[in-house]
Amino acid sequence: DQQVKQNSPSLSVQEGRISILNCDYTNSMFDYFLWYKKYPAEGPTFLISISSIKDKNEDGRFTVFLNKSAKHLSLHIVPSQPGDSAVYFCARWNTGNQFYFGTGTSLTVIP
Amino acid sequence: EAGVTQSPTHLIKTRGQQVTLRCSPISGHTSVYWYQQALGLGLQFLLWYDEGEERNRGNFPPRFSGRQFPNYSSELNVNALELEDSALYLCASSLGRTAYEQYFGPGTRLTVT
Repeated sequence: DQQVKQNSPSLSVQEGRISILNCDYTNSMFDYFLWYKKYPAEGPTFLISISSIKDKNEDGRFTVFLNKSAKHLSLHIVPSQPGDSAVYFCARWNTGNQFYFGTGTSLTVIP
Repeated sequence: EAGVTQSPTHLIKTRGQQVTLRCSPISGHTSVYWYQQALGLGLQFLLWYDEGEERNRGNFPPRFSGRQFPNYSSELNVNALELEDSALYLCASSLGRTAYEQYFGPGTRLTVT
């Protein structure tokens, strides 16, 4: 059972525009969703999280939106910068300390 | 402060062999997680250790095993290697079993021929 799905393997965006990365999930039992960013030859780094009781969480240029009725999560990056080019993973976590990661979306920000 | 470290960086083994991968968590972190990232797939959860105990394991066969030492470092062992075990193996650590923010190491690239 793939708990989280990232249906877009890649995304290209012009510098300065908005990047929207999407994630769908199947099971409503969770405590947090998280986004991780991964550069080549490095491990993923934590970016931003959202708890199950919230609809939105914002941190600088990064905003995560949670639509519980649609079981959909999105990460908005505004404005996009070339340094944002990386693979982005969404993940879910519950207090049983179980993590489930999506397959990732490769974002390319074009200067 | 040093991040999560993993060794070796790269490894080439032949089918049927055994391999041991190593991970040192961030100082103060007691939980260590192992993930497998095969080509085209997301991070697949392998194992979770906390305070020296295996707390959870993913959907992998028993030939994937590991342990956590008193200093919280960890080893992942894979026996009877198969070609499909070729992947990037990532280790992550967190402050404890209720800490959802994980810090990842750079990974070990295992190639099985």
